[in-house]
Amino acid sequence: EAGVTQFPSHSVIEKGQTVTLRCDPISGHDNLYWYRRVMGKEIKFLLHFVKESKQDESGMPNNRFLAERTGGTYSTLKVQPAELEDSGVYFCASSQVAGGNTEAFFGQGTRLTVV
Amino acid sequence: AQSVTQLDSQVPVFEEAPVELRCNYSSSVSVYLFWYVQYPNQGLQLLLKYLSGSTLVKGINGFEAEFNKSQTSFHLRKPSVHISDTAEYFCAVIQSDTGGFKTIFGAGTRLFVKA
Repeated sequence: EAGVTQFPSHSVIEKGQTVTLRCDPISGHDNLYWYRRVMGKEIKFLLHFVKESKQDESGMPNNRFLAERTGGTYSTLKVQPAELEDSGVYFCASSQVAGGNTEAFFGQGTRLTVV
Repeated sequence: AQSVTQLDSQVPVFEEAPVELRCNYSSSVSVYLFWYVQYPNQGLQLLLKYLSGSTLVKGINGFEAEFNKSQTSFHLRKPSVHISDTAEYFCAVIQSDTGGFKTIFGAGTRLFVKA
């Protein structure tokens, strides 16, 4: 069974440009999460989808970030316009159910570099 | 809100030596604790988890961790490390709030295993 896959693995863009990251969760997983790790700091929560609905987007840093999950399958995270401080590794995770004792499966991340 | 503190940012150790990576979490009524590992150029992989029951948890690759409620710790140990254990290790806790469940990570500990 395929795991969580993320595209692209690396992206280098100029400040002011737009970048779209994609996450394909494990098939059948209703819960999809986005996390970000900036400059070697903690991996921080961005948002949580349940199917196509945003359950919690409290971690989204500002309105330059837009996440979508049309149809409740794959998700995209768009950064527009990108700023230097957006550089980091963006992780996606999915789980079958949402719960404290439920393991979330993580993708390998997208390394975003804004220059 | 929950928080996780990893006390060591880097741990160098010689091959076949024992290692302990320290983790403390903020206290909560119910706590679910995890250790993840990220090998170079790979995604986050679950090493082990504590949900309930025995306080000594065994994971993959010979790692184990002990849940200590009185000290709010969940230290990761391995009696004899290999070069292939060189990676970054993340301690994590599940936080439950009005938005649902999310994973709260520590800042990570880089383990360097030297020959």
